[in-house]
Amino acid sequence: DQQVKQNSPSLSVQEGRISILNCDYTNSMFDYFLWYKKYPAEGPTFLISISSIKDKNEDGRFTVFLNKSAKHLSLHIVPSQPGDSAVYFCAASKGSYIPTFGRGTSLIVHP
Amino acid sequence: NAGVTQTPKFQVLKTGQSMTLQCAQDMNHNSMYWYRQDPGMGLRLIYYSASEGTTDKGEVPNGYNVSRLNKREFSLRLESAAPSQTSVYFCASSVDRGRGTDTQYFGPGTRLTVL
Repeated sequence: DQQVKQNSPSLSVQEGRISILNCDYTNSMFDYFLWYKKYPAEGPTFLISISSIKDKNEDGRFTVFLNKSAKHLSLHIVPSQPGDSAVYFCAASKGSYIPTFGRGTSLIVHP
Repeated sequence: NAGVTQTPKFQVLKTGQSMTLQCAQDMNHNSMYWYRQDPGMGLRLIYYSASEGTTDKGEVPNGYNVSRLNKREFSLRLESAAPSQTSVYFCASSVDRGRGTDTQYFGPGTRLTVL
């Protein structure tokens, strides 16, 4: 049973617009959330994270929002650029446990 | 720093053959991991090593064995490859598995096909 769900396998956005990638989780014990980005033929790289004590974390064009009551987080990319085209993985962890990954969302940003 | 390196990049095996995937990191990390990525399935943990000398099973360990050779190296062995093991394999490392907030650093992956 998936504890971390990324229900949209793909997302297509125009350059300059906002990209919103969503992630839902089922385990209320998760207290730390991460986003990784993966280009084809490369390994995932860490993008941004958020602790459960916060509801927002921002890093440049990337912002992650956490809604604990809804068990939902989202990654906002503003403005989107063609170089952002990649697969984005959401991951969640509790305490010292290894993060559990979602299945990923493929983002395509059109010029 | 090279980060996390994996060899080979590509491999084709016949059913029943064995092989070892190699992984090394030069970041002095304590913890290392092996994942597989299948289409539509995300990253699934095969085995991990919290520290030198220890290994533990992850979500999908069947058909695999691992060796933490030293602090730098963590290998994954397929004793008798099966077509279901066709996948992309990623090795990763982090400072310390004991802290769930640690960022994992991934290698470039090994694309394995079992015929």
